[in-house]
Amino acid sequence: NAGVTQTPKFQVLKTGQSMTLQCAQDMNHNSMYWYRQDPGMGLRLIYYSASEGTTDKGEVPNGYNVSRLNKREFSLRLESAAPSQTSVYFCASSEVPEGSEQYFGPGTRLTVT
Amino acid sequence: GENVEQHPSTLSVQEGDSAVIKCTYSDSASNYFPWYKQELGKRPQLIIDIRSNVGEKKDQRIAVTLNKTAKHFSLHITETQPEDSAVYFCAASITGTASKLTFGTGTRLQVTL
Repeated sequence: NAGVTQTPKFQVLKTGQSMTLQCAQDMNHNSMYWYRQDPGMGLRLIYYSASEGTTDKGEVPNGYNVSRLNKREFSLRLESAAPSQTSVYFCASSEVPEGSEQYFGPGTRLTVT
Repeated sequence: GENVEQHPSTLSVQEGDSAVIKCTYSDSASNYFPWYKQELGKRPQLIIDIRSNVGEKKDQRIAVTLNKTAKHFSLHITETQPEDSAVYFCAASITGTASKLTFGTGTRLQVTL
């Protein structure tokens, strides 16, 4: 099993450009999450999907949109990138929504100039 | 919403010594408290978790204690080894919020020879 995979690994964008970060899991998990990690800030939840067909905002949703394409895939879109969105983005999944281990992908390092 | 504070932000110990990392949380409804380890450039991985109906949990050299009255929980690593060097994150989850974890800001543990 590959676990949780993310593409791309690295990306550089100019301010105002758009892009989609892709995430897929092969563990048949119900719930999926997008986090951003900034130095000294820990991991902050952007959006999550408790189950296929549902999405909800997390702590820092502004400037992002998500799509739960199917049970396996959960994408994160930046419509108009800003320098404040420079960060490392992690996708994660868990078997059930509550109180279960989250498995993280390898991360995408995004720089917005 | 939930707020998790983590201390210290950096911790240096000699190999073989013990390390303790402490976290406090704000919402008394939280009932799931995982700890994640993140090695440099890698993804976070769960190392241990505890639920509110348990006061202490051990797994080999790692233990976690929970004091619900005081709303704090701690990670204890005994007989530290160089491979324990990493950033450790505590987190808390509020019941009924689809495992929406709120993370602390992380502790960078350095184990010196």
